[in-house]
Amino acid sequence: KNQVEQSPQSLIILEGKNCTLQCNYTVSPFSNLRWYKQDTGRGPVSLTIMTFSENTKSNGRYTATLDADTKQSSLHITASQLSDSASYICVVGGIQGAQKLVFGQGTRLTINP
Amino acid sequence: DGGITQSPKYLFRKEGQNVTLSCEQNLNHDAMYWYRQDPGQGLRLIYYSQIVNDFQKGDIAEGYSVSREKKESFPLTVTSAQKNPTAFYLCASSITSGESYNEQFFGPGTRLTVL
Repeated sequence: KNQVEQSPQSLIILEGKNCTLQCNYTVSPFSNLRWYKQDTGRGPVSLTIMTFSENTKSNGRYTATLDADTKQSSLHITASQLSDSASYICVVGGIQGAQKLVFGQGTRLTINP
Repeated sequence: DGGITQSPKYLFRKEGQNVTLSCEQNLNHDAMYWYRQDPGQGLRLIYYSQIVNDFQKGDIAEGYSVSREKKESFPLTVTSAQKNPTAFYLCASSITSGESYNEQFFGPGTRLTVL
């Protein structure tokens, strides 16, 4: 069964600190992996996308890594800001089209001042 | 100002009522999607449409219906047959649906509550 598991479920850190969110997947065959940021009560917004040939992608203070061999990805946030408080969702796409995207349950990140 | 809009933001439904959620996009995208989001779960696909006048069931289509009469619009009706409709509903669009690499742009969501 195609699945995406994220850890931790929730995380609280102090402003200015770094953190890393994890994503493990079993989707096969694999095409791409995307990280979304979702503010409370809003729609998700794309942060990064990687194909199987890429192992890192950055977007400002967000850096995603991908190990297609172990089927793991991480999202590293540097120098966290209060505005980083949100849920972060890992989404894996196969080769069958967008209707077969598999969404993780998300990690709820809270940044405290 | 391009984007995807959903209305209303909050919706309350009585038992046995049908309600319709609106989704409009001006991105000129061919594909549109409806997802349901429940606490602690990943987004689940309800219906998707690859082109006008065509739509396909997703993983949890029972109790829902859609139409795609215009490229810009993809309304979702939650019928009385949906046993547990309280959830956050997200509409999305992408250039096409044939390639999962294409980014899906999401609307702001509608929170539906059954009274």
